[in-house]
Amino acid sequence: EVVVTQSPGTLSLSPGETATLSCRVSQSVSSSYLAWYQQKPGQAPRLLIYGASSRAAGIPDRFSGSGSGTDFTLTISRLEPEDFAVYYCQQCGHSPPTFGQGTKVEIK
Amino acid sequence: QVQLQESGPGLVKPSQTLSLTCSVSGGSISSGGYYWSWIRQLPGKGLEWIGYIYYSGSTNYNPSLKSRVSMSVDTSMNQFSLKLNYVTAADTAVYFCARGGGYDVIDYWGQGTLVTVSS
Repeated sequence: EVVVTQSPGTLSLSPGETATLSCRVSQSVSSSYLAWYQQKPGQAPRLLIYGASSRAAGIPDRFSGSGSGTDFTLTISRLEPEDFAVYYCQQCGHSPPTFGQGTKVEIK
Repeated sequence: QVQLQESGPGLVKPSQTLSLTCSVSGGSISSGGYYWSWIRQLPGKGLEWIGYIYYSGSTNYNPSLKSRVSMSVDTSMNQFSLKLNYVTAADTAVYFCARGGGYDVIDYWGQGTLVTVSS
């Protein structure tokens, strides 16, 4: 199966700063099949980005995604207090769909 | 707005069968166009896709669990279900039902239900 590796494991930042999260997949995947999710404690994940760069409904424009092939990035500009959470990258271009281990964005 | 809700026992004994049901509201499973998945999250760890079912009953399971998993759908009740056989402590996790899977992203999730495997 395709391995999804996210880095860093933890990102310590202050509100207002920019977070840059990396996602690397072990086999090239079409951008159409790369998604990002946000998960807060005790909650289900929420879809943020699909197709590598398209924001899901209701997601603020401070969230942006980019990348292609094996390397993808989620950028969160101007961090708000509600953005501190765990972020997961997922590829669904190869079966089975697989998720990264997550990047925790914590308040510095 | 599609909503999903998991239900089932929170405690299962080792070697027995874990059974969960997902009730869908705000959308009809039988209308087609979507896969309906089960995903689990092991304690303190990441997410693992278990498999999906389509309204027709066709399924696709993660090879890592395929020998122990079965899914079914009841379109009249707008529900789908998961069975995981011969569970061990390693199957202790939060189980989510969700819309999407396969080549589709997961756009709606249930709140999740913790299932503990213990005697």
